[in-house]
Amino acid sequence: DAGITQSPRHKVTETGTPVTLRCHQTENHRYMYWYRQDPGHGLRLIHYSYGVKDTDKGEVSDGYSVSRSKTEDFLLTLESATSSQTSVYFCAISQPGQGAQNIQYFGAGTRLSVL
Amino acid sequence: KNEVEQSPQNLTAQEGEFITINCSYSVGISALHWLQQHPGGGIVSLFMLSSGKKKHGRLIATINIQEKHSSLHITASHPRDSAVYICAVGAGNQFYFGTGTSLTVIP
Repeated sequence: DAGITQSPRHKVTETGTPVTLRCHQTENHRYMYWYRQDPGHGLRLIHYSYGVKDTDKGEVSDGYSVSRSKTEDFLLTLESATSSQTSVYFCAISQPGQGAQNIQYFGAGTRLSVL
Repeated sequence: KNEVEQSPQNLTAQEGEFITINCSYSVGISALHWLQQHPGGGIVSLFMLSSGKKKHGRLIATINIQEKHSSLHITASHPRDSAVYICAVGAGNQFYFGTGTSLTVIP
């Protein structure tokens, strides 16, 4: 298994509170991704990173920010959580050098409930 | 607008049956991926292909670039194959995912 750890695995929070999810990898992969998975939708890209301090928005980036200060860590922050952000969040990494052609390895997911 | 469409959404099969899951996509891709999501939620990559056909055990994946279509076949299906199968395409630095096919194999 690829060394990807998501934390926390489960979180319940209240509307309006800030929330930070962490993705930690031990594989030294260049690309890191944050997705959300909701019923009736495929995995949808929130933000991705192609290197330290290099990030870009995905399809559903509104209400989310990210930071990557080290190769191994990619943080996803909900500045002010809303009920529509209740979801399962997955982090993924891919091998360096070939971008989207490469196999993605997924973390175990974080189940977030915003009440 | 969905860049990736899968069919069927749900599939129930008897153990031993041959299973086919289809994926069509509308964007230019560098590669297509088949993923498996277990009932516990974990996602693993089964195949990555950009042309032709790949086989791994009882799983076979094919892709037709001209028709923008891929199929995942499972031969001699088994209850442990029960999972959600997800088609994803890589385009540029991003991936686009289908909504998945939920497969249940009954003993």
